[in-house]
Amino acid sequence: QKEVEQNSGPLSVPEGAIASLNCTYSDRVSQSFFWYRQYSGKSPELIMSIYSNGDKEDGRFTAQLNKASQYVSLLIRDSQPSDSATYLCAVTRGRRALTFGSGTRLQVQP
Amino acid sequence: DGGITQSPKYLFRKEGQNVTLSCEQNLNHDAMYWYRQDPGQGLRLIYYSQIVNDFQKGDIAEGYSVSREKKESFPLTVTSAQKNPTAFYLCASRSGEVTGELFFGEGSRLTVL
Repeated sequence: QKEVEQNSGPLSVPEGAIASLNCTYSDRVSQSFFWYRQYSGKSPELIMSIYSNGDKEDGRFTAQLNKASQYVSLLIRDSQPSDSATYLCAVTRGRRALTFGSGTRLQVQP
Repeated sequence: DGGITQSPKYLFRKEGQNVTLSCEQNLNHDAMYWYRQDPGQGLRLIYYSQIVNDFQKGDIAEGYSVSREKKESFPLTVTSAQKNPTAFYLCASRSGEVTGELFFGEGSRLTVL
Protein backbone atom coordinates (compact mmCIF):
# COMPACT_ATOMS: atom_id res chain seq x y z
CA GLN A 1 0.00 0.00 0.00
CA LYS A 2 1.33 3.43 -0.93
CA GLU A 3 1.72 5.88 1.92
CA VAL A 4 -0.27 8.55 0.11
CA GLU A 5 -2.72 7.58 -2.62
CA GLN A 6 -4.43 9.70 -5.22
CA ASN A 7 -6.42 8.88 -8.33
CA SER A 8 -4.17 9.83 -11.24
CA GLY A 9 -7.07 11.07 -13.39
CA PRO A 10 -7.47 12.93 -15.55
CA LEU A 11 -10.44 14.46 -13.79
CA SER A 12 -12.34 16.48 -16.33
CA VAL A 13 -14.87 19.13 -15.26
CA PRO A 14 -16.62 21.91 -17.19
CA GLU A 15 -15.74 25.52 -16.51
CA GLY A 16 -17.68 26.86 -13.52
CA ALA A 17 -18.20 23.43 -11.93
CA ILE A 18 -16.84 22.11 -8.64
CA ALA A 19 -13.76 19.90 -8.89
CA SER A 20 -13.30 17.38 -6.09
CA LEU A 21 -9.88 15.86 -5.51
CA ASN A 22 -9.29 13.10 -2.98
CA CYS A 23 -6.32 11.67 -1.14
CA THR A 24 -5.92 8.86 1.38
CA TYR A 25 -2.93 8.20 3.61
CA SER A 26 -1.70 5.24 5.61
CA ASP A 27 0.15 6.78 8.58
CA ARG A 28 -2.50 7.18 11.29
CA VAL A 29 -0.44 9.68 13.27
CA SER A 30 0.03 12.12 10.40
CA GLN A 31 -0.44 15.69 11.56
CA SER A 32 0.03 18.06 8.65
CA PHE A 33 -1.61 17.89 5.24
CA PHE A 34 -0.89 19.95 2.16
CA TRP A 35 -2.24 20.42 -1.34
CA TYR A 36 0.17 21.60 -4.01
CA ARG A 37 -0.62 22.61 -7.59
CA GLN A 38 1.90 21.82 -10.29
CA TYR A 39 1.72 23.08 -13.85
CA SER A 40 3.48 21.05 -16.50
CA GLY A 41 7.25 21.56 -16.35
CA LYS A 42 7.04 23.79 -13.26
CA SER A 43 7.69 23.25 -9.57
CA PRO A 44 4.82 22.67 -7.11
CA GLU A 45 3.20 25.63 -5.37
CA LEU A 46 1.26 25.43 -2.13
CA ILE A 47 -2.52 25.80 -2.43
CA MET A 48 -3.76 24.81 1.01
CA SER A 49 -2.56 23.41 4.30
CA ILE A 50 -4.78 21.81 6.95
CA TYR A 51 -3.96 20.42 10.36
CA SER A 52 -7.24 19.63 12.15
CA ASN A 53 -10.41 17.78 11.26
CA GLY A 54 -13.02 19.68 9.34
CA ASP A 55 -13.04 22.20 6.54
CA LYS A 56 -10.69 25.06 5.76
CA GLU A 57 -11.66 27.58 3.12
CA ASP A 58 -9.47 29.99 1.18
CA GLY A 59 -11.16 31.75 -1.71
CA ARG A 60 -12.37 29.18 -4.23
CA PHE A 61 -10.51 26.37 -2.46
CA THR A 62 -11.72 24.24 0.45
CA ALA A 63 -9.62 21.55 2.10
CA GLN A 64 -11.39 18.86 4.09
CA LEU A 65 -9.69 16.57 6.58
CA ASN A 66 -11.05 13.42 8.23
CA LYS A 67 -8.33 11.81 10.36
CA ALA A 68 -10.56 8.92 11.49
CA SER A 69 -11.04 7.86 7.86
CA GLN A 70 -7.53 8.96 6.87
CA TYR A 71 -8.52 11.07 3.95
CA VAL A 72 -8.07 14.63 2.87
CA SER A 73 -9.81 16.31 -0.03
CA LEU A 74 -9.63 19.53 -2.00
CA LEU A 75 -12.68 21.22 -3.51
CA ILE A 76 -12.24 23.87 -6.19
CA ARG A 77 -15.37 25.94 -6.76
CA ASP A 78 -16.11 27.81 -9.98
CA SER A 79 -13.33 25.91 -11.76
CA GLN A 80 -11.41 27.88 -14.37
CA PRO A 81 -9.29 26.67 -17.30
CA SER A 82 -6.30 28.12 -15.44
CA ASP A 83 -6.94 25.53 -12.70
CA SER A 84 -5.94 22.79 -15.14
CA ALA A 85 -2.85 21.26 -13.55
CA THR A 86 -1.70 18.31 -11.47
CA TYR A 87 -2.65 18.48 -7.80
CA LEU A 88 -0.33 16.81 -5.32
CA CYS A 89 -1.37 15.73 -1.86
CA ALA A 90 1.39 15.68 0.78
CA VAL A 91 1.38 14.38 4.34
CA THR A 92 3.79 14.56 7.25
CA ARG A 93 4.11 14.47 11.01
CA GLY A 94 6.35 16.58 13.17
CA ARG A 95 9.43 17.77 11.35
CA ARG A 96 9.60 14.76 9.02
CA ALA A 97 9.93 15.20 5.30
CA LEU A 98 6.69 15.47 3.38
CA THR A 99 5.46 12.33 1.61
CA PHE A 100 3.72 13.03 -1.68
CA GLY A 101 1.07 11.22 -3.62
CA SER A 102 1.51 10.73 -7.35
CA GLY A 103 -0.94 13.51 -8.13
CA THR A 104 -4.30 13.96 -9.84
CA ARG A 105 -4.42 15.67 -13.21
CA LEU A 106 -7.33 18.10 -13.47
CA GLN A 107 -8.66 19.33 -16.80
CA VAL A 108 -11.16 22.19 -16.81
CA GLN A 109 -13.01 22.33 -20.11
CA PRO A 110 -13.95 25.85 -21.37
CA ASP B 1 12.94 38.59 -2.17
CA GLY B 2 13.28 35.40 -0.17
CA GLY B 3 13.32 32.14 -2.03
CA ILE B 4 15.16 29.09 -3.27
CA THR B 5 17.49 29.21 -6.25
CA GLN B 6 18.37 26.10 -8.17
CA SER B 7 20.95 25.91 -10.92
CA PRO B 8 21.34 24.94 -13.62
CA LYS B 9 17.78 24.81 -14.90
CA TYR B 10 18.70 22.33 -17.64
CA LEU B 11 21.66 19.99 -17.63
CA PHE B 12 22.85 17.34 -20.04
CA ARG B 13 25.20 14.64 -18.92
CA LYS B 14 27.05 11.86 -20.63
CA GLU B 15 26.89 8.43 -19.09
CA GLY B 16 29.60 7.91 -16.50
CA GLN B 17 29.84 11.58 -15.50
CA ASN B 18 29.09 13.03 -12.08
CA VAL B 19 27.09 16.25 -11.99
CA THR B 20 26.28 18.61 -9.14
CA LEU B 21 23.01 20.51 -8.82
CA SER B 22 23.12 23.68 -6.79
CA CYS B 23 20.46 24.77 -4.27
CA GLU B 24 20.63 28.01 -2.28
CA GLN B 25 17.95 29.46 0.01
CA ASN B 26 17.69 32.79 1.79
CA LEU B 27 14.60 31.95 3.82
CA ASN B 28 16.66 31.14 6.92
CA HIS B 29 15.12 27.67 6.98
CA ASP B 30 16.79 24.91 8.95
CA ALA B 31 15.59 21.99 6.86
CA MET B 32 16.36 21.36 3.20
CA TYR B 33 15.30 18.55 0.90
CA TRP B 34 15.96 17.04 -2.50
CA TYR B 35 13.15 15.32 -4.39
CA ARG B 36 13.14 13.58 -7.72
CA GLN B 37 10.15 13.59 -10.08
CA ASP B 38 9.76 11.31 -13.09
CA PRO B 39 7.16 11.98 -15.82
CA GLY B 40 3.62 11.44 -14.54
CA GLN B 41 4.88 10.60 -11.07
CA GLY B 42 4.84 12.21 -7.67
CA LEU B 43 7.87 13.41 -5.76
CA ARG B 44 10.29 10.91 -4.21
CA LEU B 45 12.67 11.94 -1.44
CA ILE B 46 16.38 11.58 -2.16
CA TYR B 47 18.12 13.25 0.82
CA TYR B 48 17.21 15.73 3.50
CA SER B 49 19.01 17.81 6.09
CA GLN B 50 17.51 19.18 9.30
CA ILE B 51 20.61 21.07 10.38
CA VAL B 52 24.02 22.12 9.13
CA ASN B 53 26.60 19.32 8.87
CA ASP B 54 23.93 16.63 9.15
CA PHE B 55 21.82 14.88 6.53
CA GLN B 56 19.82 11.67 6.12
CA LYS B 57 19.00 9.36 3.25
CA GLY B 58 15.52 9.43 1.82
CA ASP B 59 13.73 6.69 -0.07
CA ILE B 60 15.94 6.70 -3.18
CA ALA B 61 19.41 7.83 -2.03
CA GLU B 62 21.44 5.27 -3.98
CA GLY B 63 23.64 6.94 -6.59
CA TYR B 64 23.33 10.39 -5.02
CA SER B 65 25.37 12.37 -2.49
CA VAL B 66 24.85 15.66 -0.65
CA SER B 67 26.61 18.05 1.70
CA ARG B 68 25.35 20.70 4.11
CA GLU B 69 28.29 22.89 5.07
CA LYS B 70 26.23 26.08 5.24
CA LYS B 71 22.65 26.69 6.29
CA GLU B 72 21.88 28.33 2.96
CA SER B 73 23.28 25.64 0.67
CA PHE B 74 22.43 21.99 -0.02
CA PRO B 75 24.05 20.76 -3.25
CA LEU B 76 23.17 17.38 -4.76
CA THR B 77 25.66 15.29 -6.71
CA VAL B 78 24.29 12.74 -9.15
CA THR B 79 27.00 10.13 -9.47
CA SER B 80 27.71 7.65 -12.22
CA ALA B 81 26.31 4.97 -9.90
CA GLN B 82 22.80 6.34 -10.44
CA LYS B 83 21.49 4.05 -13.18
CA ASN B 84 18.63 6.15 -14.45
CA PRO B 85 19.31 9.79 -13.57
CA THR B 86 17.17 11.49 -16.22
CA ALA B 87 14.52 13.30 -14.16
CA PHE B 88 13.27 16.62 -12.77
CA TYR B 89 15.06 17.46 -9.52
CA LEU B 90 13.42 19.71 -6.95
CA CYS B 91 15.09 21.34 -3.99
CA ALA B 92 12.92 22.51 -1.12
CA SER B 93 13.23 24.05 2.30
CA ARG B 94 11.05 24.22 5.37
CA SER B 95 11.14 26.12 8.64
CA GLY B 96 11.67 24.17 11.84
CA GLU B 97 8.05 24.55 12.87
CA VAL B 98 5.86 21.47 12.86
CA THR B 99 3.30 23.24 10.69
CA GLY B 100 5.88 24.76 8.37
CA GLU B 101 5.13 24.52 4.70
CA LEU B 102 7.57 23.32 2.07
CA PHE B 103 8.90 25.89 -0.38
CA PHE B 104 10.31 24.71 -3.71
CA GLY B 105 12.91 26.00 -6.08
CA GLU B 106 12.18 26.09 -9.80
CA GLY B 107 13.77 22.71 -10.39
CA SER B 108 16.63 21.32 -12.46
CA ARG B 109 15.95 19.05 -15.41
CA LEU B 110 18.74 16.52 -15.95
CA THR B 111 19.01 14.54 -19.17
CA VAL B 112 21.52 11.77 -19.69
CA LEU B 113 22.67 11.45 -23.29
